[in-house]
Amino acid sequence: DAGVIQSPRHEVTEMGQEVTLRCKPISGHNSLFWYRQTMMRGLELLIYFNNNVPIDDSGMPEDRFSAKMPNASFSTLKIQPSEPRDSAVYFCASSYAGTAEKLFFGSGTQLSVL
Amino acid sequence: QQQVKQSPQSLIVQKGGISIINCAYENTAFDYFPWYQQFPGKGPALLIAIRPDVSEKKEGRFTISFNKSAKQFSLHIMDSQPGDSATYFCAASRSHDMRFGAGTRLTVKP
Repeated sequence: DAGVIQSPRHEVTEMGQEVTLRCKPISGHNSLFWYRQTMMRGLELLIYFNNNVPIDDSGMPEDRFSAKMPNASFSTLKIQPSEPRDSAVYFCASSYAGTAEKLFFGSGTQLSVL
Repeated sequence: QQQVKQSPQSLIVQKGGISIINCAYENTAFDYFPWYQQFPGKGPALLIAIRPDVSEKKEGRFTISFNKSAKQFSLHIMDSQPGDSATYFCAASRSHDMRFGAGTRLTVKP
């Protein structure tokens, strides 16, 4: 199995632009998580999907952030408009447990908003 | 609100030595306590995990010690190797809610 696949690996954009991050979870996993990692705040849960349905989006910072999971093999995290404070590494993770146990993380997307 | 506190922030150990990283949690509802290892440019990878009904779990050179009454747990890396140099995160979770510590950067000198 190729593991959790994220794209792009790096994204550099200008303030105000729309950014879309993509994730392909491990086949057979029914839970998908989006995390953000920064030096100041560490690893934070943004949103959790179970069986393609958003269950907990309380970690989404504001309305500029949105996430979708149209099917079991694909999810997107969109930021519109982007701001410099959104600069971070965004991780997608999946599990088969229906919980945060035994999470498998992707390699992340390094986002820089200038 | 920081629910999982991790120390030290950084740690330097000689090859063959023991590395010890400590964590404390606040929410007694947490029922799963994993440790993740992260190399530069990679995502965190699950290393070892424990549940609160067990006081110790060992997998190879890695051991978790868990003290439920003190709400503390620690990771011990025996016979530390240069390849263990990475950032280690403790975490605590209940259901889908996983809270991570701030991380410990471990350097094992040859």
